[in-house]
Amino acid sequence: GPKVLQIPSHQIIDMGQMVTLNCDPVSNHLYFYWYKQILGQQMEFLVNFYNGKVMEKSKLFKDQFSVERPDGSYFTLKIQPTALEDSAVYFCASSWTGDAEQFFGPGTRLTVL
Amino acid sequence: QQKVQQSPESLSVPEGGMASLNCTSSDRNFQYFWWYRQHSGEGPKALMSIFSDGDKKEGRFTAHLNKASLHVSLHIRDSQPSDSALYFCAAYDTNAYKVIFGKGTHLHVLP
Repeated sequence: GPKVLQIPSHQIIDMGQMVTLNCDPVSNHLYFYWYKQILGQQMEFLVNFYNGKVMEKSKLFKDQFSVERPDGSYFTLKIQPTALEDSAVYFCASSWTGDAEQFFGPGTRLTVL
Repeated sequence: QQKVQQSPESLSVPEGGMASLNCTSSDRNFQYFWWYRQHSGEGPKALMSIFSDGDKKEGRFTAHLNKASLHVSLHIRDSQPSDSALYFCAAYDTNAYKVIFGKGTHLHVLP
C-alpha cells in the first residue's frame, strides 16, 4: 500500500540546537500532518498543511516550530531552538482529502539532551 | 476536556474472544470517525472508517456508530495475539479541518 517515509528514524541533539524532521508523503496526497507521541501514549495533533499553508495548529505547535514543503519535496518540521520537552516520537501523515484516511510514517524518535 | 474519549484504557481478552472498544465525542462537529491501530514501534494504520449510523463490518472487525449519542464502538471477533496493539478512535472536526485522536485503548490478546 501507499507508504510515508520519515528521515531520520532517530535523532539525538543537545537542547537549544535546531532540528529538522523530514517526511516523504504519499505522492498524490494533498494534506499533510505532524503529530507528537510520548511514551506510546496519545497521538497529539500538532499541525496540518494544505496548498502550501498551515491550516490548523494546536497549542503544542509552539513558536519554535515551523513547517514547509518547498517545491513538492519533503514535508519538514523544524524546531529551533529545541527544548527538553520536545523529546518524543514525531509522526508525519498524509491524506488525499481532509477527512480521508491518513497514512502515517514510522516516526522519528527525537531525543533532546 | 478531552473531545474524543476512549474506554477502557486497557483491555485483556483471551485468544478467540471478543474485544469491545468504546469511543465518545463531545462535539457535534465531529461527524466522521476512524479507528486506527498502532503496533509497538510503528505508526498508526487505519482499520476502518464509519460515517453513517449503524454497523459496518470488515472481516473480524465491526464498527458501530450512533450519531445521536456521538458514540462509536469497535468490536473484534475471534481476537488474535497479533491484534494486541494500541487502538485509537479518531474524529474529523468538520469546522477545523483536522482529526482529533482519543487517548487510545491498549488491547492485549492473551494466547
